[in-house]
Amino acid sequence: DVKVTQSSRYLVKRTGEKVFLECVQDMDHENMFWYRQDPGLGLRLIYFSYDVKMKEKGDIPEGYSVSREKKERFSLILESASTNQTSMYLCASSTVWSGQLLISSYNEQFFGPGTRLTVL
Amino acid sequence: SQQGEEDPQALSIQEGENATMNCSYKTSINNLQWYRQNSGRGLVHLILIRSNEREKHSGRLRVTLDTSKKSSSLLITASRAADTASYFCATEIMNTGFQKLVFGTGTRLLVSP
Repeated sequence: DVKVTQSSRYLVKRTGEKVFLECVQDMDHENMFWYRQDPGLGLRLIYFSYDVKMKEKGDIPEGYSVSREKKERFSLILESASTNQTSMYLCASSTVWSGQLLISSYNEQFFGPGTRLTVL
Repeated sequence: SQQGEEDPQALSIQEGENATMNCSYKTSINNLQWYRQNSGRGLVHLILIRSNEREKHSGRLRVTLDTSKKSSSLLITASRAADTASYFCATEIMNTGFQKLVFGTGTRLLVSP
């Protein structure tokens, strides 16, 4: 089974702190994603990566950065945490392969359990 | 703005009843996926339907897709208390040559024993 793990389930930080959220997947997936989830807004894409050292901005990248130094690990960084970044953060991964066939459309995404971040 | 909007926002039924959730979207898609999220947890993929498909089944799940109306529905038959969760539709759209999924706001389903 695909497993996506996130470094913390709950995290409390203070305004202005630098925050690192780590995500690791064990299925050699090419694509990795960071979302935040807020009530009434659903999931919103922050950043995604389709290869090591590659990153693309999602819909709400402001205030965030990412790092993908290894294929299995995708880190989300809050450079200076603010209270409006209090949220549930979800990491996901997916592959571009279906068996030995390279597919052009998306496979399913596999999600981690989420990190509930509170910024005081 | 969100690509997918689910309707209703919340649904409360008894065990054994059927639950129907609807999703509307705005732009052309390659496929549409449904996910389930148990309270405070990550999302789990349920089913994928491609733009050239009209209906798909998986166990107690039935998904329909009407590309002319830009809408999809998820039917859960003979619901169980364990089906209590939030359900999200996600549409695959093209973005500068790299596909991404856009999630809706979800339907909260409560199944009472």
